[in-house]
Amino acid sequence: GAVVSQHPSRVICKSGTSVKIECRSLDFQATTMFWYRQFPKQSLMLMATSNEGSKATYEQGVEKDKFLINHASLTLSTLTVTSAHPEDSSFYICSASRAPRQGLQSEAFFGQGTRLTVV
Amino acid sequence: GIQVEQSPPDLILQEGANSTLRCNFSDSVNNLQWFHQNPWGQLINLFYIPSGTKQNGRLSATTVATERYSLLYISSSQTTDSGVYFCAVTRGPYTGANSKLTFGKGITLSVRP
Repeated sequence: GAVVSQHPSRVICKSGTSVKIECRSLDFQATTMFWYRQFPKQSLMLMATSNEGSKATYEQGVEKDKFLINHASLTLSTLTVTSAHPEDSSFYICSASRAPRQGLQSEAFFGQGTRLTVV
Repeated sequence: GIQVEQSPPDLILQEGANSTLRCNFSDSVNNLQWFHQNPWGQLINLFYIPSGTKQNGRLSATTVATERYSLLYISSSQTTDSGVYFCAVTRGPYTGANSKLTFGKGITLSVRP
């Protein structure tokens, strides 16, 4: 089955520093990946759509200068939280959907998630 | 945008019991998926089911697209079934940005030994 790998799974950083999170599709190419944020006991909220070879599309209210997204290849998207502050502490999850081919369903697969704590 | 409502919000079961989790959506969809989020946060794919019925072991799901709802059945529940169950849908065609998922708020299931 399709696998999406996210790294790191947990990170603690100091306020004011930047943190990079990687999302890789391991056995399929993904021209589009998605980044979600989840607060405790809440649902997943889409932050942005990562497009291979072009700029990311951000959801309303998400600061593009705070959350930098790069999708440099068909298997890798990165999310960089810049100048992190305690309010950026959250669970971040990426997903990728397998590009449709004959006989394949378009199904979304998720990374393991990254728990970011800013101190 | 499309609205996804899940019910009940919380469910407590005794081990061995059966349960039905419901997902209603406000518009036609191209994709519907059920996920189980384990205590470590990982989202586990349970079913891709925009329509019809599927079964996988003790779990089964049915989506009635014309009536805009989906049901997830858990039989003979086990403590390892505990966690949050999410329903998520996609309205657009399969490719690119249109494949982004809209999630319901989730159903928290606790299975007691």
